[in-house]
Amino acid sequence: GAGVSQSPSNKVTEKGKDVELRCDPISGHTALYWYRQRLGQGLEFLIYFQGNSAPDKSGLPSDRFSAERTGESVSTLTIQRTQQEDSAVYLCASSLGLAKNQPQHFGDGTRLSIL
Amino acid sequence: AQTVTQSQPEMSVQEAETVTLSCTYDTSENNYYLFWYKQPPSRQMILVIRQEAYKQQNATENRFSVNFQKAAKSFSLKISDSQLGDTAMYFCAFISSGGSNYKLTFGKGTLLTVNP
Repeated sequence: GAGVSQSPSNKVTEKGKDVELRCDPISGHTALYWYRQRLGQGLEFLIYFQGNSAPDKSGLPSDRFSAERTGESVSTLTIQRTQQEDSAVYLCASSLGLAKNQPQHFGDGTRLSIL
Repeated sequence: AQTVTQSQPEMSVQEAETVTLSCTYDTSENNYYLFWYKQPPSRQMILVIRQEAYKQQNATENRFSVNFQKAAKSFSLKISDSQLGDTAMYFCAFISSGGSNYKLTFGKGTLLTVNP
């Protein structure tokens, strides 16, 4: 596609439920990133992928968070046993390669609300 | 660890005027990249401008330019001839050029409102 696509756009769920957020990067982009943006805050880095590999998972907030990527394309971010503090916008970005000067292209995000 | 500070939570400017958004950062590294991103109400983050620390010349992109002061660790964004469509959150971001850390560190943002 022309840009990074994220789904769903909005997700409302009850505390304790599991949620899965999806990201389709720009075609041909090998690097993919996940960020969390809490209300009124900047972006908090969660994890990045080079191809299907995630070398550093230390940014994930807890063991309830996991992410995977298949086929060097779609990535999913899964949050298990959601808590109210997980409410945020989750943004995905991709870049042509894993080079520091490569600009990251962002999707519109998924707004997650935990009741 | 690197930190990015945007000291102006909100700013406003009249259409067609010039506004400058400030950003300072803290790092012990010599080589890095700095970015300004714009986030309109649609939520999509859009890259506005990029600066490489080893380049002394300030980056410019049409109406957008930066004042990069490496010694002062300052990276301000100037928007000339402000337009209504410039209304958005603006985020300053930093990434080191060396090592295997691919984390882009963002400031908390400045909400810019352009008034007609």
